[in-house]
Amino acid sequence: DAKTTQPPSMDCAEGRAANLPCNHSTISGNEYVYWYRQIHSQGPQYIIHGLKNNETNEMASLIITEDRKSSTLILPHATLRDTAVYYCIVSIRDTGRRALTFGSGTRLQVQP
Amino acid sequence: SAVISQKPSRDICQRGTSLTIQCQVDSQVTMMFWYRQQPGQSLTLIATANQGSEATYESGFVIDKFPISRPNLTFSTLTVSNMSPEDSSIYLCSVDSAQTNYGYTFGSGTRLTVV
Repeated sequence: DAKTTQPPSMDCAEGRAANLPCNHSTISGNEYVYWYRQIHSQGPQYIIHGLKNNETNEMASLIITEDRKSSTLILPHATLRDTAVYYCIVSIRDTGRRALTFGSGTRLQVQP
Repeated sequence: SAVISQKPSRDICQRGTSLTIQCQVDSQVTMMFWYRQQPGQSLTLIATANQGSEATYESGFVIDKFPISRPNLTFSTLTVSNMSPEDSSIYLCSVDSAQTNYGYTFGSGTRLTVV
């Protein structure tokens, strides 16, 4: 799986958009970009994933650059409950046979 | 998406003893994955458990230390054997919820402290 690079930590004001960047310059054509988050002492939670196109769901938006070498996770209106470690993971889609490889992630602190 | 029940949620164990962690999934899944998360660190894959065959271990993890069972498509156990304080970590199981949103589901974790 391609390696990802994320800033170790970020702060965001409550109610503002949180933009979390991720570099994956060695991504290959069949690798997806996944985002997960881990709130303290809980198991990681799926947020969103994408291949080429930008994606949006009820939790977040994922913006992938045209060359696919980087992406940004956007939490449009961050709340205190969004304080967590956010993991950007690049992996092929192998119908449940392939584990995810976690990097060090970005620790997002939402400030009141 | 799949729902995972992981037990126990936490335990404090004496060094030299063993602890078995259970993961029950509410649907049949091909693979189950076991991770370790040491204090302040990210998740590290221990092994992949496939029903009917021996688990596949990642570099640095061996079957004698972390034996895994996978008796059917909804259940797996991970045993941490002959524990030392260095084994104090959170242990998590995971499955691929391929039926819905392509997201992987994780158990709530087992927080193990070895004294």
